[in-house]
Amino acid sequence: GNSVTQMEGPVTLSEEAFLTINCTYTATGYPSLFWYVQYPGEGLQLLLKATKADDKGSNKGFEATYRKETTSFHLEKGSVQVSDSAVYFCALDRGGGTSYGKLTFGQGTILTVHP
Amino acid sequence: GAGVSQSPSNKVTEKGKDVELRCDPISGHTALYWYRQSLGQGLEFLIYFQGNSAPDKSGLPSDRFSAERTGGSVSTLTIQRTQQEDSAVYLCASSWAQRETQYFGPGTRLLVL
Repeated sequence: GNSVTQMEGPVTLSEEAFLTINCTYTATGYPSLFWYVQYPGEGLQLLLKATKADDKGSNKGFEATYRKETTSFHLEKGSVQVSDSAVYFCALDRGGGTSYGKLTFGQGTILTVHP
Repeated sequence: GAGVSQSPSNKVTEKGKDVELRCDPISGHTALYWYRQSLGQGLEFLIYFQGNSAPDKSGLPSDRFSAERTGGSVSTLTIQRTQQEDSAVYLCASSWAQRETQYFGPGTRLLVL
């Protein structure tokens, strides 16, 4: 079946440090890939997405590239801020017929950024 | 504009009781999803409604769980005879069409004692 594996957290960084959160997936076909973020006390928000191999999603300084050869979608940011402290979820939508929209999520990675 | 809203925000119930959780999607969104977020299982898909089509119930963990969507808008997730393992945050999301960006509500935190 479909699955998403994220690096275990929590991740603690100092402000302006480089961030990588690893995400690998298992899926049949050609899934779409997503990163969602959950800020403290708020609901899940879409951060970025990529719908086909080699696509790069980007938003708010975050980037992730859809690598089909390594089945990965690692999240990166060159310089994190305290306001980036949140829980980050990698997800896939396997797509295909009625399966579209049924997201499979990773376990989530807690990121804490200190001033 | 208004986002997805859910009620109640918190619910404490006793084992064996029935509970109803409500979701108000963004106006005009035809697709509505329920997910569950728990410590042991992470974020899991439960059920999906798209327009007037029959719902996709493939993620419901048992027949104690059911959901309906009235008038293509508001949805209610019902858990009968609650068990302690049902304790979780229940999230609702909507999108304007299948496979479009899903917008999530704040969730209902359910605690079964």
